Amino acid sequence: GEQVEQRPPHLSVREGDSAVITCTYTDPNSYYFFWYKQEPGASLQLLMKVFSSTEINEGQGFTVLLNKKDKRLSLNLTAAHPGDSAAYFCAVSAHYGNEKITFGAGTKLTIKP
Amino acid sequence: GGIITQTPKFLIGQEGQKLTLKCQQNFNHDTMYWYRQDSGKGLRLIYYSITENDLQKGDLSEGYDASREKKSSFSLTVTSAQKNEMAVFLCASSTGTGDYAEQFFGPGTRLTVL
Repeated sequence: GEQVEQRPPHLSVREGDSAVITCTYTDPNSYYFFWYKQEPGASLQLLMKVFSSTEINEGQGFTVLLNKKDKRLSLNLTAAHPGDSAAYFCAVSAHYGNEKITFGAGTKLTIKP
Repeated sequence: GGIITQTPKFLIGQEGQKLTLKCQQNFNHDTMYWYRQDSGKGLRLIYYSITENDLQKGDLSEGYDASREKKSSFSLTVTSAQKNEMAVFLCASSTGTGDYAEQFFGPGTRLTVL
């Protein structure tokens, strides 16, 4: 089945700096890719999504890039602010029978003043 | 829009006890999920259901039962609570197909086993 590896598990950056979180996946049929944000004590909220056909999505200060050749998905934060401190999870789903989504293990992002 | 509610928010049980967690959604979504999230860790799929009365095992189904009584509700039973399964249990739902395959999550039930 699908395997998703997310790196790094912890990331600390200064306010205003950039940050990158990366996921690699194994199933070449993967088609739908999601990033979720989980603030402390809260549940997961969808942050952004990208499909195999689009490969890039931007919004809320984030850019999601998909490299299908390398089976790599990245979440790029251009200028961190304190409200970005949270855990971030990538999730991957195949094009067919895509009820099941495989999640990465998560990255705890801390923004230092 | 819609909402997912999970009850109870906090669940405390004794080791060996049978415990039930409940989830309701009003999105009219077909697919519902139960995940377990251990402290500081990712999500592991316990069970999911693609329609009423359907049940599919996830990677962590041993020690759990689930029931999809109707389209809007999905319950999870811990058959014999163990101290090493203290975690937050998250319920989610999705349309399950196509461009709207993203999952929407409930607030979670935090399980403590004494």
